[in-house]
Amino acid sequence: AQKVTQAQTEISVVEKEDVTLDCVYETRDTTYYLFWYKQPPSGELVFLIRRNSFDEQNEISGRYSWNFQKSTSSFNFTITASQVVDSAVYFCALRIDDKIIFGKGTRLHILP
Amino acid sequence: EAQVTQNPRYLITVTGKKLTVTCSQNMNHEYMSWYRQDPGLGLRQIYYSMNVEVTDKGDVPEGYKVSRKEKRNFPLILESPSPNQTSLYFCASSFGYNEQFFGPGTRLTVL
Repeated sequence: AQKVTQAQTEISVVEKEDVTLDCVYETRDTTYYLFWYKQPPSGELVFLIRRNSFDEQNEISGRYSWNFQKSTSSFNFTITASQVVDSAVYFCALRIDDKIIFGKGTRLHILP
Repeated sequence: EAQVTQNPRYLITVTGKKLTVTCSQNMNHEYMSWYRQDPGLGLRQIYYSMNVEVTDKGDVPEGYKVSRKEKRNFPLILESPSPNQTSLYFCASSFGYNEQFFGPGTRLTVL
């Protein structure tokens, strides 16, 4: 069965701290895609990153970085030097063929 | 401007009264999908479509219908809504296996 687990339901950190959001997925397929989306308090869903199963290279984009490890079926997301504007719900998603499965999301509070 | 539009944005209705939520995209995307978002459950896929006249069930299709007669439109139909379909609904589209573009959401309340 395919599944995405975001074990951290809610996280609070003080501004400027680093924070890592965990994402663990389950699939027997060898070809799949992983995504992260952000949902700020305004409610829209914003794409952050996509990774395919054959590309384990980690990625950094400004204060954001992603660690993809097939050995542990994880695709974790780190925000460095967090800011209040990073407060949002973050979703990890798995796409296999045409089906897409989202995790339940992690609500991140950045406290000033 | 590239976008996914949904209408209506807010809807309050009563049990059993058929309704349709429209979704349209102007990016010529083949893939379109509907999700519902409920507190603590994340987003769950209702139906998806790979192209015109090709639709398939997601994880929570019961009580919903869709159609894809044109590439740009993917309406969600609730033939006989029930209170457990009260939710926030998102439509999304994508090109191939790229990222999805989401509509602004439709908040549905079924009394």
